[in-house]
Amino acid sequence: GAVVSQHPSWVICKSGTSVKIECRSLDFQATTMFWYRQFPKQSLMLMATSNEGSKATYEQGVEKDKFLINHASLTLSTLTVTSAHPEDSSFYICSARDSPLAAKQYFGPGTRLTVT
Amino acid sequence: GNSVTQMEGPVTLSEEAFLTINCTYTATGYPSLFWYVQYPGEGLQLLLKATKADDKGSNKGFEATYRKETTSFHLEKGSVQVSDSAVYFCALSLARGDKIIFGKGTRLHILP
Repeated sequence: GAVVSQHPSWVICKSGTSVKIECRSLDFQATTMFWYRQFPKQSLMLMATSNEGSKATYEQGVEKDKFLINHASLTLSTLTVTSAHPEDSSFYICSARDSPLAAKQYFGPGTRLTVT
Repeated sequence: GNSVTQMEGPVTLSEEAFLTINCTYTATGYPSLFWYVQYPGEGLQLLLKATKADDKGSNKGFEATYRKETTSFHLEKGSVQVSDSAVYFCALSLARGDKIIFGKGTRLHILP
């Protein structure tokens, strides 16, 4: 089946620094990728939707200048958390689908971000 | 707004026990309903889905029936195995290709 990977699987950074998380579709071309955030014992909250070659669409309440999303190729999307603060500590999950109207999404294993 | 509510875990059962994880939803329109499963260290995987009222989704011995009258999509399995230990997420989508709205997840522990 389709595989989505994320790198790194966990990262610790200091407050004020930026960190980049990569999401790759390994065996298919992902026209659309999604970024989710998951707090402990909470549901996955969609942060943004990105289509290859265009600007990401952010959900209400998500700071686009803080969470920079780039989807430069059909197999790679990146999420950069800029000027990270401890409240940005969370589990970030990406998913991808292989066509705009595909119902099925393929999920990555997630990245645990801890900001100290 | 649109939302999914599922029973809180963790749920701990002995092997071969009967499993039910409750899920109810609130939605404008007629959503498709899903159950996703996340095994330790892995990404979410689609377990089963139903796209209209009275549809039954099934996979790997798990079943869920789309009940419009009770706005529910409860997950059931007749005899669980240790390998079923995972986190289960109920979810909905309002249109094909639309975003997916997830419940909080239910952690399931199966004891040998």
